[in-house]
Amino acid sequence: QSVLTQPPSVSAAPGQKVTISCSGSSSNIGNNYVSWYQQLPGTAPKLLIYENVKRPSGIPDRFSGSKSGTSATLGITGLQTGDEADYYCETWDSSLSAGIFGTGTKVTV
Amino acid sequence: QVQLQESGPRLVKPSGTLSLTCAVSGDSISNSNWWTWVRQPPGKGLEWIGEVFHTGKTYYIPSLKSRVTISADKSKNHFSLTLNSLTAADTALYYCVRNSGNSKFDYWGQGTLVTVSS
Repeated sequence: QSVLTQPPSVSAAPGQKVTISCSGSSSNIGNNYVSWYQQLPGTAPKLLIYENVKRPSGIPDRFSGSKSGTSATLGITGLQTGDEADYYCETWDSSLSAGIFGTGTKVTV
Repeated sequence: QVQLQESGPRLVKPSGTLSLTCAVSGDSISNSNWWTWVRQPPGKGLEWIGEVFHTGKTYYIPSLKSRVTISADKSKNHFSLTLNSLTAADTALYYCVRNSGNSKFDYWGQGTLVTVSS
């Protein structure tokens, strides 16, 4: 079972903004980088954010990441219907010596 | 362009062993990346299984550590997953992934569904 907690779902109208939280502890988020992934229905996850705030080339600046203490947040502005997907945070857990994913959040536009 | 492709049996019997291979193209297993396996039970979330460096160094999720082995074959430029003592709970879509450092999972295979059933 995951030790990174995300809200099960968030929703907003097209053009609006949503934020997705990822809550952990000092053994994971508090001392390691966080990445975020978008999983469209029936497809493999796609990297959106890495090292807390960085976007890979090709990811629009509508997607943003932040981290404070033992929590991280993914923000999506200018929501589009194509953003409807599941979103996962991920980090390393130093106590487990293993990677861990968040519980996942379904975004509905 | 980096590409990863999983291969292996799609149906495995309970108590049996799952063996998957991930062929890597466009990159060398010997480069400074970690090679990771992630799974996703039908309708559920992602689970990190473990990863291997080309030196053979591995890390595994504690809940699976007694049943899992991940290895890298530099000569074939692929890495593998072995999971034994299977139960229905191991039925999942298995992804192989490149971790280019600091949890940056930048390339994913398409995933292969493995069903554990008699």
